[in-house]
Amino acid sequence: GAGVSQTPSNKVTEKGKYVELRCDPISGHTALYWYRQSLGQGPEFLIYFQGTGAADDSGLPNDRFFAVRPEGSVSTLKIQRTERGDSAVYLCASSQPGLGGQFFGPGTRLTVL
Amino acid sequence: EDKVVQSPLSLVVHEGDTVTLNCSYEVTNFRSLLWYKQEKKAPTFLFMLTSSGIEKKSGRLSSILDKKELFSILNITATQTGDSAVYLCAVEANSNYQLIWGAGTKLIIKP
Repeated sequence: GAGVSQTPSNKVTEKGKYVELRCDPISGHTALYWYRQSLGQGPEFLIYFQGTGAADDSGLPNDRFFAVRPEGSVSTLKIQRTERGDSAVYLCASSQPGLGGQFFGPGTRLTVL
Repeated sequence: EDKVVQSPLSLVVHEGDTVTLNCSYEVTNFRSLLWYKQEKKAPTFLFMLTSSGIEKKSGRLSSILDKKELFSILNITATQTGDSAVYLCAVEANSNYQLIWGAGTKLIIKP
């Protein structure tokens, strides 16, 4: 596609539920990143994919968070047993290594009640 | 520890004014510095700077990098209300692909 797309744009869930957030990167971009952003702060790195593999998942806060990118394109961020502290905007970005710059999707606003 | 510091944290000016936003950094193995504009949710890419002293320009926005003094500035001339946003600065290091983000400058343009 022309840009990075993310679905849903908004997600409201209850504490303890499971959620999946989807990211569709720019066509041809091999690198994909997940960030989350709380109000008034810069984006916080979660995980980076190069192709199908998670090259670095050191930013995932705990084992309730997991992400996949099975075919090297679309990625899904999965959060189990959601907590109120997980409420944030989850941003996805893609890039083509060597060209520089990360291009962001519109984000998913997750609210855990 | 790598860090990026932006100033001011917030700025209120009137339409037509010129503003200068600052970004200083301390990053090991600097690769590039990026400026983003964030209005609602996602940051929108503005500039990527890799070389000192070369101004990047796009319409009323321009930016320059000083790798000796470790800072960059983002200038906006003849500001418009549509320029109101949070402007984020991020630095990419050679050693990894992660972006190190500043806290942003919240710019408000009053009509």
